[in-house]
Amino acid sequence: DIVMTQSPLSLPVTPGEPASISCWSSQSLLYKNKYNYLNWYLQKPGQSPQLLIYLGSDRASGVPDRFSGSGSGTDFKLRISRVEAEDVGVYYCMQALQTPFTFGPGTRVDIK
Amino acid sequence: EVQVVESGGGLVKPGGSLRLSCAASGLTFSKAWMSWVRQAPGKGLEWVGRIKSKTDGETTDYAAPVKGRFSISRDDSTNTLYLKMNILKTEDTAVYYCLTDPGDWPDYWGQGTLVTVSS
Repeated sequence: DIVMTQSPLSLPVTPGEPASISCWSSQSLLYKNKYNYLNWYLQKPGQSPQLLIYLGSDRASGVPDRFSGSGSGTDFKLRISRVEAEDVGVYYCMQALQTPFTFGPGTRVDIK
Repeated sequence: EVQVVESGGGLVKPGGSLRLSCAASGLTFSKAWMSWVRQAPGKGLEWVGRIKSKTDGETTDYAAPVKGRFSISRDDSTNTLYLKMNILKTEDTAVYYCLTDPGDWPDYWGQGTLVTVSS
């Protein structure tokens, strides 16, 4: 199974400031079609997870452009250009290259 | 707009069975691969299993902790996905989410249904 790791596990943020979360996979997520099968999700308090980024860097419909995904192979990053209060919650990366799909442990983001 | 709505959760005793349903709309369900993910109270996300479309063989695969106990099926005539859970254990207690299969396109999640396994 592919093991997913995230850092940090807790991230206090200041509104208006940038923030970033790193994610690593134990195997390359780059498929022969040149796409990286890495998704990012945000689970807001009391809600189901919502997709932010798929294929490593494609923003899902309705996701603000302050969110961006980058990386390739085994190293990935989620960036928030200017954090807003509504961005608090737990962020998960997930590999969708092969089953069993596996998630990172999650990064809890809250306001300082 | 794609929507998936889970139902069927509840309280069940260890060793018991339960069947969850997931009603999908806003997509060509018969062509969709579908997955289940669960989240134990206060814990992270865990993929449970997947079913491919009929044209892709309707094959299923499962996470190791549920293999042999859980079964995923689909009814394309009613756009419904099922998760049959047998020999339930206390560690199966979780919110169960239905979602369109992640991969080349955006995935859509339901609001989840809570399964509690307790005596």
